[in-house]
Amino acid sequence: EVQLVESGGGLVQPGGSLRLSCAASGFTFSSHWMSWLRQAPGKGLEWVAHTNQDGSQKYYVDSVKGRFTISRDNAKNSLYLQMNSLRADDTAVYYCARAMASNSNYWGQGTLVTVSS
Amino acid sequence: EIVLTQSPATLSLSPGERATLSCRASQSVSSYLAWYQQKPGQAPRLLIYDASNRATGIPARFSGSGSGTDFTLTISSLEPEDFALYYCHQHSNWPHTFGGGTKVEIK
Repeated sequence: EVQLVESGGGLVQPGGSLRLSCAASGFTFSSHWMSWLRQAPGKGLEWVAHTNQDGSQKYYVDSVKGRFTISRDNAKNSLYLQMNSLRADDTAVYYCARAMASNSNYWGQGTLVTVSS
Repeated sequence: EIVLTQSPATLSLSPGERATLSCRASQSVSSYLAWYQQKPGQAPRLLIYDASNRATGIPARFSGSGSGTDFTLTISSLEPEDFALYYCHQHSNWPHTFGGGTKVEIK
């Protein structure tokens, strides 16, 4: 069974840092593009970052460039999102997803990040 | 950035009725458009990819059409479990973007 389990969310002060993790199981992790997306409370979906199978290609939405870093460890079947210089408007549920917009698409259940003093 | 505009924002229908949801792109996305369904407290679920292909396990009452800038998601006969939020999503150009969503609610 395919599983994506996010962790690492929580309450952080503005300017702080968090590292999100996504543990993958039930499929060949190293064969898929992986993405982070987010959804602010009561709002729509936003694609944050994604990376190719070996991590050599990375793309970010402009609002997080220079602050967030996506990475993966294929030996550990894990995807990460290092988030620095967090702002109030980064508050959202963060989802890990496999193979966006393809028939292999799968989402985790998300982890909540709250940026507040 | 490609802007996706979904209409209507809310669709009030009864079970058994046909639902037609629209998504318009600010520039051509070819057929690089997907549709997702989201229920409260849940992650989105892929319904349609590449504009018209149903994802694995998605019932045949869901269909997608369109190319370029105008796309439609049709639910031929609404089941109780279909009342939810629906998002379109383009992956033609980076940054990949989503529409604002259409809520299908029970009339």
